[in-house]
Amino acid sequence: AQSVTQLGSHVSVSEGALVLLRCNYSSSVPPYLFWYVQYPNQGLQLLLKYTTGATLVKGINGFEAEFKKSETSFHLTKPSAHMSDAAEYFCAVSDPRYSSASKIIFGSGTRLSIRP
Amino acid sequence: SQTIHQWPATLVQPVGSPLSLECTVEGTSNPNLYWYRQAAGRGLQLLFYSVGIGQISSEVPQNLSASRPQDRQFILSSKKLLLSDSGFYLCAQAQGPSYEQYFGPGTRLTVT
Repeated sequence: AQSVTQLGSHVSVSEGALVLLRCNYSSSVPPYLFWYVQYPNQGLQLLLKYTTGATLVKGINGFEAEFKKSETSFHLTKPSAHMSDAAEYFCAVSDPRYSSASKIIFGSGTRLSIRP
Repeated sequence: SQTIHQWPATLVQPVGSPLSLECTVEGTSNPNLYWYRQAAGRGLQLLFYSVGIGQISSEVPQNLSASRPQDRQFILSSKKLLLSDSGFYLCAQAQGPSYEQYFGPGTRLTVT
C-alpha cells in the first residue's frame, strides 16, 4: 500500500541557511509525488510535482525536489531560507488504486520555522 | 484557471446543531471533488470524495455526510455536531490523470 513518511515534525533553520525537508514514500507502482505548502489559516498550495521524466523538479518560491527511486525519497530543498518560508509543508504520493478519483496520500506534515 | 470558493470562512456552532459547508469550483468542468479535515496540530484527513454528480465516497464513518447536487458544488453536512467535529475543513478539486489537487481557502469550524 502507498504511504508517505515525513521525517521531523518540526524543522528550524536560520535565515539564509539551506532548507531540507525529508520525505520517503512507499509505492507498488511508479508514483506521482507532490509537495504542498500551507500558511496559517489558509488552504494548501502546490509547490511542485513529479510525474515522469526529469527527476529534479523545480517549483515555486525557489524550492526544488529530487525523485530518487533507489532511496524511495523525494526531499524538498531550498538553498537559502527566507522568513516568508515559515509554514507547514506536506509531502504526498498518488494512490494508483484510485486513479479515476485522483486520490493522493498525504504525509503528516513538517512545520518549518525560520530564525532571524 | 480554476478557483475554489468555500463558505463560510469561519463558523462557531453549539454541540448538537446542524452544519452545512459549501464548496464551489469555477473554471473547470466535471472535476473530482474532496473534503478534508485538519484537527488542531494534525495532518489532513480525507472525509469524502466525488467523481461526479450524486457520486459520493466516504472515507471515515462519522456523523458527517456529503452531497454533490451540481457538477461544481460540493456540500458537507451534519445533523448534529459533536465537539470532535471542530477543525479546519478544506475542499479540493482535481482533474485529469496527473492527480494534483488544488485547495480552497478552508472553513474554520469551532464546536462549543
